[in-house]
Amino acid sequence: GQNIDQPTEMTATEGAIVQINCTYQTSGFNGLFWYQQHAGEAPTFLSYNVLDGLEEKGRFSSFLSRSKGYSYLLLKELQMKDSASYLCAVLDSNYQLIWGAGTKLIIKP
Amino acid sequence: IAGITQAPTSQILAAGRRMTLRCTQDMRHNAMYWYRQDLGLGLRLIHYSNTAGTTGKGEVPDGYSVSRANTDDFPLTLASAVPSQTSVYFCASSPGGGNQPQHFGDGTRLSIL
Repeated sequence: GQNIDQPTEMTATEGAIVQINCTYQTSGFNGLFWYQQHAGEAPTFLSYNVLDGLEEKGRFSSFLSRSKGYSYLLLKELQMKDSASYLCAVLDSNYQLIWGAGTKLIIKP
Repeated sequence: IAGITQAPTSQILAAGRRMTLRCTQDMRHNAMYWYRQDLGLGLRLIHYSNTAGTTGKGEVPDGYSVSRANTDDFPLTLASAVPSQTSVYFCASSPGGGNQPQHFGDGTRLSIL
């Protein structure tokens, strides 16, 4: 079967750095997405990785290792507004997105 | 403002009733999707459409139907609602290629009693 694993919840301090991990086992791989979802709102796109390595976009970076079936989202200089759920999703061999359950990130002052 | 509009925002429905959730996008995206989101689970694909006139089944299609008469609209119908269909429903669209990010509507919160 297809499986995406992420921690259920993480807590971090304002101004700090946090890394949210995602491991996957899917039938084929055509890329990995990260989305942010604030409570009661729609998911919004953060990043897309299809090749191994680190993609940096402002305070957010995303890393992919296809051989390990592993990705992480790195958030720097955390702000209170970063409190949200972060969803990892893999594009499988049929080009359909398989979604993880999401990681709820709590930022404390 | 370009985007996706879903209606209604929320609805309480008696079991056995028929319900259509509406979704309209003005970005001229080819692909559209319907997901349900339940606590503790990832988004699950119900139905999708790669282009106007075509539809396909996702992971959890039973009890739901869709149509795609034109590019902009992608309604989701529950023929006879059951309590297990209580969920938050999101409509999404993308330009077409599988590696294009999906843009989401604000969701419909549906409760079946």
